[in-house]
Amino acid sequence: QIVLSQSPAILSASPGEKVTMTCRASSSVSYMHWYQQKPGSSPKPWIYATSNLASGVPARFSGSGSGTSYSLTISRVEAEDAATYYCQQWSSNPPTFGAGTKLELK
Amino acid sequence: QVQLQQSGAELVKPGASVKLSCKASGYTFTSYYMYWVKQRPGQGLEWIGEINPSNGGTNFNEKFKSKATLTVDKSSSTAYMQLSSLTSEDSAVFYCASDSSGLYAMDYWGQGTSVTVSS
Repeated sequence: QIVLSQSPAILSASPGEKVTMTCRASSSVSYMHWYQQKPGSSPKPWIYATSNLASGVPARFSGSGSGTSYSLTISRVEAEDAATYYCQQWSSNPPTFGAGTKLELK
Repeated sequence: QVQLQQSGAELVKPGASVKLSCKASGYTFTSYYMYWVKQRPGQGLEWIGEINPSNGGTNFNEKFKSKATLTVDKSSSTAYMQLSSLTSEDSAVFYCASDSSGLYAMDYWGQGTSVTVSS
């Protein structure tokens, strides 16, 4: 199965800062999805197919990448962005998730 | 609007089985596959398997083939997952999710069911 490695595991940022988290796949994938999860809540779809923001996701979020390397960028972090972000592929079975990047606000 | 309503928390003894439910509303139940995902405390997400509600066809992560059984009741728009021979490794939150995106994503999620395996 395709293993997704997310880095960093924990990302600490100040409000207004630009941050980028990455997701690397053990084999090439066609595209990557991203989910946001806050404690005690279900994951929410955040970015579809590498770069398409889900409904309601602020425009300060963006996604990019191809092949084995993908990233999620927040142009100016806000307090409400504190959460864990997971990448997910389904280019091959079984679908797999990364271990997550936890974004903490300073 | 699409909603997936899952059954309540379970406390079960080691070696026992448990059956979780996920009731769908707001869409035609047979239109989208239903997925099940496991999340252990403080851990990431694992895809367990999927069921096609229109014909009951299933597909599993190899890791869960002997652990999980997926079924549906079309008359009540409800999907079920039975977990057998439970151990402490099965203590987790289990989510049902569906994909209306057509992109092999999971765009609707239930609220999760916590399963605790303890004697």
